[in-house]
Amino acid sequence: AQKVTQAQTEISVVEKEDVTLDCVYETRDTTYYLFWYKQPPSGELVFLIRRNSFDEQNEISGRYSWNFQKSTSSFNFTITASQVVDSAVYFCALSEAGLDSSYKLIFGSGTRLLVRP
Amino acid sequence: DAGVTQSPTHLIKTRGQHVTLRCSPISGHKSVSWYQQVLGQGPQFIFQYYEKEERGRGNFPDRFSARQFPNYSSELNVNALLLGDSALYLCASSLDTGNRNQPQHFGDGTRLSIL
Repeated sequence: AQKVTQAQTEISVVEKEDVTLDCVYETRDTTYYLFWYKQPPSGELVFLIRRNSFDEQNEISGRYSWNFQKSTSSFNFTITASQVVDSAVYFCALSEAGLDSSYKLIFGSGTRLLVRP
Repeated sequence: DAGVTQSPTHLIKTRGQHVTLRCSPISGHKSVSWYQQVLGQGPQFIFQYYEKEERGRGNFPDRFSARQFPNYSSELNVNALLLGDSALYLCASSLDTGNRNQPQHFGDGTRLSIL
């Protein structure tokens, strides 16, 4: 079965520190897609990034960067120079194909990030 | 363009009642998915609809049902409510269901409390 593990339940850092959120996944598919979402206190899940299994190139977007390693089944997310506005719950997700061309997202349990001023 | 909109924002029900939650997808998106998020956990997949047909169903009892309308909006219905149904219900839309590379875009959710 497909599974996503986010071992870090909660992380607390001081503003301007770098922080890495870990994500480990399990899948038997040879083609799969990974996502990161941010959930602020308002509740909406905000899409951050997607990565397909054929592209192991790391990606940087502003203060955000992602490290995808198939060898260790990990897709970690780093925030550089964290800010108070980064405080939220972050979810890693894996897409699973179903019947009739449907797909669903398998989410990890989330990591709550608290950035203190 | 408006994002995914859900109504109501909050809802309080008692055990045994039924509830209907509503979702309007992003304009142009034809697929709608529903997720249940219990406090402290990640969202769990309930249903996916595309072109008014159910395309996927998660591990939820038959008390949960949904439908999609010609304008691609959707309703989630839950009958015989239990205390364990208390959760944030999230709706997500995407262009279609066939491409797993497409991100699902989520609404703010409906927070359902069962007393």
